[in-house]
Amino acid sequence: GAGVSQTPSNKVTEKGKYVELRCDPISGHTALYWYRQSLGQGPEFLIYFQGTGAADDSGLPNDRFFAVRPEGSVSTLKIQRTERGDSAVYLCASSLRATSGRGSGTQYFGPGTRLLVL
Amino acid sequence: AQSVSQHNHHVILSEAASLELGCNYSYGGTVNLFWYVQYPGQHLQLLLKYFSGDPLVKGIKGFEAEFIKSKFSFNLRKPSVQWSDTAEYFCAVNTPNTGKLIFGQGTTLQVKP
Repeated sequence: GAGVSQTPSNKVTEKGKYVELRCDPISGHTALYWYRQSLGQGPEFLIYFQGTGAADDSGLPNDRFFAVRPEGSVSTLKIQRTERGDSAVYLCASSLRATSGRGSGTQYFGPGTRLLVL
Repeated sequence: AQSVSQHNHHVILSEAASLELGCNYSYGGTVNLFWYVQYPGQHLQLLLKYFSGDPLVKGIKGFEAEFIKSKFSFNLRKPSVQWSDTAEYFCAVNTPNTGKLIFGQGTTLQVKP
């Protein structure tokens, strides 16, 4: 079956520009997560949704970062006034539910969007 | 705050050698534990997971991990590695009441043929 998909796979932008990154979760998964991975590091949590609402956005680094999931399926991560320090791989994951539930909280990851801010 | 520590940053082994990658976490309550693997050019894939029950968990490709609650550890093992196990390995933890995963910094495993 189809896994988590993310578009674009690569994004190059200039400092100060606005970018949107899209995530399409596995069909039927109600929970969706965003992480950021810098070179040589493990993924770092940004935000997760249960349905349409953000259940935990404690990982968003500042108010330039915002994410939406208006219909409880596709999600968009939005970054305003990009900075060079925002360069990273942005990962999306989904699970049947956010809180387990044996197995239902297992997260499946997409291929990521590699963002480069020049 | 929760944290996950992976002691080995870079491990080099010859084929058929045994593998053990360390993972420790800091949280006193009930946890869910995961090992993910990222092969070169591919995305993160789940190797194995622990939610409850038998602390010895078997995963895909011959990997296993043991949850030792008293040591806050969840070490990954494989008796005999193959060249195709060359990858980056991440330990991760969350709690049953939150979806947020906390990852370790990862261990790069290089297996020499």
